[in-house]
Amino acid sequence: GQQVMQIPQYQHVQEGEDFTTYCNSSTTLSNIQWYKQRPGGHPVFLIQLVKSGEVKKQKRLTFQFGEAKKNSSLHITATQTTDVGTYFCAGLRAEDYKLSFGAGTTVTVRA
Amino acid sequence: NAGVTQTPKFRILKIGQSMTLQCTQDMNHNYMYWYRQDPGMGLKLIYYSVGAGITDKGEVPNGYNVSRSTTEDFPLRLELAAPSQTSVYFCASSRQGHTEAFFGQGTRLTVV
Repeated sequence: GQQVMQIPQYQHVQEGEDFTTYCNSSTTLSNIQWYKQRPGGHPVFLIQLVKSGEVKKQKRLTFQFGEAKKNSSLHITATQTTDVGTYFCAGLRAEDYKLSFGAGTTVTVRA
Repeated sequence: NAGVTQTPKFRILKIGQSMTLQCTQDMNHNYMYWYRQDPGMGLKLIYYSVGAGITDKGEVPNGYNVSRSTTEDFPLRLELAAPSQTSVYFCASSRQGHTEAFFGQGTRLTVV
């Protein structure tokens, strides 16, 4: 089964609005990575979070790692058509050093 | 700088046939990975390698084999293809284990 759960599976957003996608693990993570995959493309690395409570920003994207290192979120402000794609989180499990990908959140944008 | 290169991009196989998916990287990364991606399921690790001559099973290794004779190349072999192996296959590499990974363009495989 999926070790890392992502919600929602689909996100339909009006251009200009904000949205958040969440990633949850049942076990403690050593780090969490986020990737973006455009339709028909390949995953592209966005960021890695390592520290408890860490927050990192990339322009309109804000990434957060939970205090317990079991969850993470990606918040996008003022969504643009270029944000279309599937966002994956990948958690590195502390117990066995295995990387587990979430199923992804697929984002579509209404102009 | 090409990064990670996969060939072929598309392939249709008949049940029982065999094929090799090629992957090469020019970033001198020690770690290489093979994933498969099925709709709505994220990425599942098939095999990985921590360096030339060293390979290990991932989450879904059955029906596949790999080799790593050089740092650059990490081919994935499918023996006796089955419809369940219809998927998109991605090769990736990273400088350190399970950190920022660079993915190839993918191979879309259909087994009929």
